[in-house]
Amino acid sequence: AQKITQTQPGMFVQEKEAVTLDCTYDTSDQSYGLFWYKQPSSGEMIFLIYQGSYDEQNATEGRYSLNFQKARKSANLVISASQLGDSAMYFCAMRERTGGYNKLIFGAGTRLAVHP
Amino acid sequence: DGGITQSPKYLFRKEGQNVTLSCEQNLNHDAMYWYRQDPGQGLRLIYYSQIVNDFQKGDIAEGYSVSREKKESFPLTVTSAQKNPTAFYLCASSGDRFYEQYFGPGTRLTVT
Repeated sequence: AQKITQTQPGMFVQEKEAVTLDCTYDTSDQSYGLFWYKQPSSGEMIFLIYQGSYDEQNATEGRYSLNFQKARKSANLVISASQLGDSAMYFCAMRERTGGYNKLIFGAGTRLAVHP
Repeated sequence: DGGITQSPKYLFRKEGQNVTLSCEQNLNHDAMYWYRQDPGQGLRLIYYSQIVNDFQKGDIAEGYSVSREKKESFPLTVTSAQKNPTAFYLCASSGDRFYEQYFGPGTRLTVT
């Protein structure tokens, strides 16, 4: 079965510094997708970034980049120049295709606190 | 503005009552999903639907039911058979670009 592991329950970072949130995954599929979502205290889930298993370059979206290491099955999120508004829960997820249906498997999340 | 709406934001019910959570999307997405989130934890899939009149059980479907009579709507009923219904419920729909999921604002259900 596919699985996502986020080993850091909580992280903190100083404002304006970079931070890396870890994510490892387990799958036997050759084609898969990896996602990162942000969940502020209000509860909504915000899509941040996507990496396809066949993408040769690491995905980037503004201050977010995904450090994709396929052989190590890791998909770490890097946030550069942290801002106070980055304080939130962050979830790594993987797309699973079962019986013709696509669904996402989520990790347990990492709580990021940005300090001024 | 395209998006997903869930109502209400907060819902209170007495134990033993069924309650229906609404989810509507105007993104023209075929696939829709319901998740449950307990405090400090990740999301667990309750039900999902790929197309109208079709839905599949997720990992924790017991005590829940859904319907998908219209493309835009995917209501979730929390029945009295659900042993621990108090939780945060998130609805999502999926595009066909990367199949990324767009989420609604969530409904916080409290059953006493």
